[in-house]
Amino acid sequence: SYVLTQPPSVSVAPGKAARITCAGNSLGTQAVHWYQQKPGQAPVLVVYADSDRPSGIPERFSGSNSGNTATLIISRVEAGDEADYYCQVWDSSISWVFGGGTKLTVL
Amino acid sequence: VQLVESGGGLVQPGTSLGLSCAASGFSFSDYGMFWVRQAPGRGLEWVAVIWYDGSNKYYADSVKGRFTISRDNSKSTVDLQMSGLRAEDTAVYYCARGHSDSWPNYLDFWGQGTLVTVSS
Repeated sequence: SYVLTQPPSVSVAPGKAARITCAGNSLGTQAVHWYQQKPGQAPVLVVYADSDRPSGIPERFSGSNSGNTATLIISRVEAGDEADYYCQVWDSSISWVFGGGTKLTVL
Repeated sequence: VQLVESGGGLVQPGTSLGLSCAASGFSFSDYGMFWVRQAPGRGLEWVAVIWYDGSNKYYADSVKGRFTISRDNSKSTVDLQMSGLRAEDTAVYYCARGHSDSWPNYLDFWGQGTLVTVSS
């Protein structure tokens, strides 16, 4: 089955940019989606199809995907961005795969 | 869009439990629906998906043969019937909307989840 690998944690100072990676075999050939989950809350879709933002998601959230790595970029990080972030793809083996998640800490 | 799960609780290993998700605020019959779970302190795991019209259903290998997803478009509900429950099924179970009617690539709205605890 397809595997998505994320770093367990990323730390960033307020106002700086955070980059959260998601690695998978030939990931650049697939559409990658990202979810934000704050403690005790349900996940929220923040980026879909590599780099598109749902309505209501700040422009500070963006994404890219090439080769074997997709990246969620959060510019001008705020304290309220502290959360777990998950990447996800649909795999042709007919399964929906999530990465293990990355905990973003705002210093 | 609102998704409200119900039916969670404490059950013994080997028993059965049914979860339900009530949807509102959108045309329910136009969207595929998911169940996704999250074990305590762990990441997200896709469990099952059902097409907008119930014509196709897919399951994660970890629950195949034990869990059954179904929907009632007249009531805007999607259910998950779980049998042969194991300790490793302990998790918060989320209902989520797929972004399209079939082959939903991603999940665009999620409910708040319901906790299932399997323990003797």
